[in-house]
Amino acid sequence: NAGVTQTPKFRILKIGQSMTLQCAQDMNHNYMYWYRQDPGMGLKLIYYSVGAGITDKGEVPNGYNVSRSTTEDFPLRLELAAPSQTSVYFCASSYSTGTGNTIYFGEGSWLTVV
Amino acid sequence: GQQVMQIPQYQHVQEGEDFTTYCNSSTTLSNIQWYKQRPGGHPVFLIQLVKSGEVKKQKRLTFQFGEAKKNSSLHITATQTTDVGTYFCAGGRVSSGNQFYFGTGTSLTVIP
Repeated sequence: NAGVTQTPKFRILKIGQSMTLQCAQDMNHNYMYWYRQDPGMGLKLIYYSVGAGITDKGEVPNGYNVSRSTTEDFPLRLELAAPSQTSVYFCASSYSTGTGNTIYFGEGSWLTVV
Repeated sequence: GQQVMQIPQYQHVQEGEDFTTYCNSSTTLSNIQWYKQRPGGHPVFLIQLVKSGEVKKQKRLTFQFGEAKKNSSLHITATQTTDVGTYFCAGGRVSSGNQFYFGTGTSLTVIP
C-alpha cells in the first residue's frame, strides 16, 4: 500500500543550490499536485498535472519547475534555492478533480534553505 | 485570486467541549472537502460536500455546506484528545479547472 511516496523526507540546502523533490504514486491517478505549507499556514498549490505530458501553474509557481513524463512520477525542481522556499512540500494525487475524488497526500518533504 | 478563509485560526478547548470551525470562500464553490492534519503529519481526507445546504455526519463530526455554496462548517461534539490537529477545508471551483484551494486551517488543541 505505497500510495504517494516522496523523497527525500528532510533536506538542508544552501542558497543558490538546486535540488529535485521526487514524487511517485502507484494508484494510477491522472492528477498530481505539489503543495507547500509554511509553518502554521495552509497549503498553497505550486504546480499540478492532469496527466502525463501536461503541467500547469498553481498559486505559487515562481522558483519551481515540474515535469510529468509518466503517469506515476511528478518531480518538483528548485533551480536556485532561496530562504523563502524553506517549507514543507507535499505531493498529492487524485483520480480526477470531479466530485467524489479524494486527494491523497504523501508524507511530506521538509526543506530548509540556509 | 481564490480566497478561502477559515476561522478561528487557533482553538483551545477542554476535553468534552464542542468545537466548530468555519470556512468562507469569496466565490461560489462547486464542492468542498475537509481534511485533518495531525501535528507533523500530512492532510488526510475526511469528507466531501457537493449539494447546497448539505449536512453530513461522521460519528461526533458534523459537516455543513451553505445554501449559497460559499461557506461550510465542521462541528465536533464532545471533543477528545484524539481530535487534536489542524482542520482544513478545500474548495473546488469549476472555473479554476476544478482545482481545490485550501483554507488557512484551524488548529485544535484539546486539553485533557
